[in-house]
Amino acid sequence: AQKITQTQPGMFVQEKEAVTLDCTYDTSDPSYGLFWYKQPSSGEMIFLIYQGSYDQQNATEGRYSLNFQKARKSANLVISASQLGDSAMYFCAMRPTHSGGYQKVTFGTGTKLQVIP
Amino acid sequence: EAGVAQSPRYKIIEKRQSVAFWCNPISGHATLYWYQQILGQGPKLLIQFQNNGVVDDSQLPKDRFSAERLKGVDSTLKIQPAKLEDSAVYLCASSLDGGAPVPPLHFGNGTRLTVT
Repeated sequence: AQKITQTQPGMFVQEKEAVTLDCTYDTSDPSYGLFWYKQPSSGEMIFLIYQGSYDQQNATEGRYSLNFQKARKSANLVISASQLGDSAMYFCAMRPTHSGGYQKVTFGTGTKLQVIP
Repeated sequence: EAGVAQSPRYKIIEKRQSVAFWCNPISGHATLYWYQQILGQGPKLLIQFQNNGVVDDSQLPKDRFSAERLKGVDSTLKIQPAKLEDSAVYLCASSLDGGAPVPPLHFGNGTRLTVT
């Protein structure tokens, strides 16, 4: 069974500072992908960044980077130089890697980030 | 490419009434998902289709919820009769099949349902 844990229900960060949102996971699948999504108050879920379990390097996408520690089963999202528009809910998710069959996608409970001017 | 289309955007109904939501996934995406998201919580999978077959409906309240994806493209989710606790945002998502790198889910804007 898969499980995603996000232990921070809410976070505050000063504008222009960096912030780390925590995500730990548990899975029996040998190969999987980890995702982060942003959900602004308008409700749409926006895909931010992806990390494959066998990727040698941590993923980066602009101001987003993923601090992936496979042995600790953690995939923390780092947002650098926070902007007011980063205020939103952030969800960590996981999906196993295999073609065909059933790839269950599991979401965490989310972290609400508020950026302070 | 066009994104995932959902309609309606908002719906208000009284309890015991019925409601239907429509979703058109991104062209070529074989997998389609319906999620229920209650305010302040993460998305909860209701049903997952691969083409026009159901691969997971374990959390779908089958006494009142139904979903279909007849031609393997667009999908409809129905609630009949609605209860107050069904008030939520209903998100549709689609993705390519698995493999590596794992394809992400692409979400529609959702339907915000209020049951009074």
